[in-house]
Amino acid sequence: SQQGEEDPQALSIQEGENATMNCSYKTSINNLQWYRQNSGRGLVHLILIRSNEREKHSGRLRVTLDTSKKSSSLLITASRAADTASYFCATDARGSYIPTFGRGTSLIVHP
Amino acid sequence: NAGVTQTPKFQVLKTGQSMTLQCAQDMNHNSMYWYRQDPGMGLRLIYYSASEGTTDKGEVPNGYNVSRLNKREFSLRLESAAPSQTSVYFCASSGRQGLDGYTFGSGTRLTVV
Repeated sequence: SQQGEEDPQALSIQEGENATMNCSYKTSINNLQWYRQNSGRGLVHLILIRSNEREKHSGRLRVTLDTSKKSSSLLITASRAADTASYFCATDARGSYIPTFGRGTSLIVHP
Repeated sequence: NAGVTQTPKFQVLKTGQSMTLQCAQDMNHNSMYWYRQDPGMGLRLIYYSASEGTTDKGEVPNGYNVSRLNKREFSLRLESAAPSQTSVYFCASSGRQGLDGYTFGSGTRLTVV
């Protein structure tokens, strides 16, 4: 069963706008990760946030984690057409270190 | 380039045929994983190997077997392919309990007719 679920399922924005996608999960976790998948390709690791962290930045990416609500958000600022992809969150239940993935958010950035 | 290599990239099988998907990583990772990805279902774990010499079932292991041949290689075998196994298969590896993220191969697109 899916541990993490992304929301929305699909997101369409204009270049230059910010894109926000969310992930909710069910059980306590060690870490939460975000991945990007371009069409027909494998997943690429974007960022990892540990359960004792609340916010993390990497370039135009900002990830927040709220363990009390069991949720995370990924913000992509000043989006580009090249950001068009599916984005997945992955969580590993505490003590497991085996990642389970949500169904993903499909992001389309229009030039 | 360092990473995870999967072969083949594409495969068409007839129902009942068998095949082995190969995966190799050159990052000295301890853990390796096999996932399948179906439309609208995300990625589902088939089997994983936490370290050389160990394998464990994931969420959807039925119809599959695995072999951790050595630290580098982790193969997935379909003994008698069924149309329900039509999917894209991804191999991944990780070290340090996944704290550096998981590295994925480019996938094998399998069609069973």
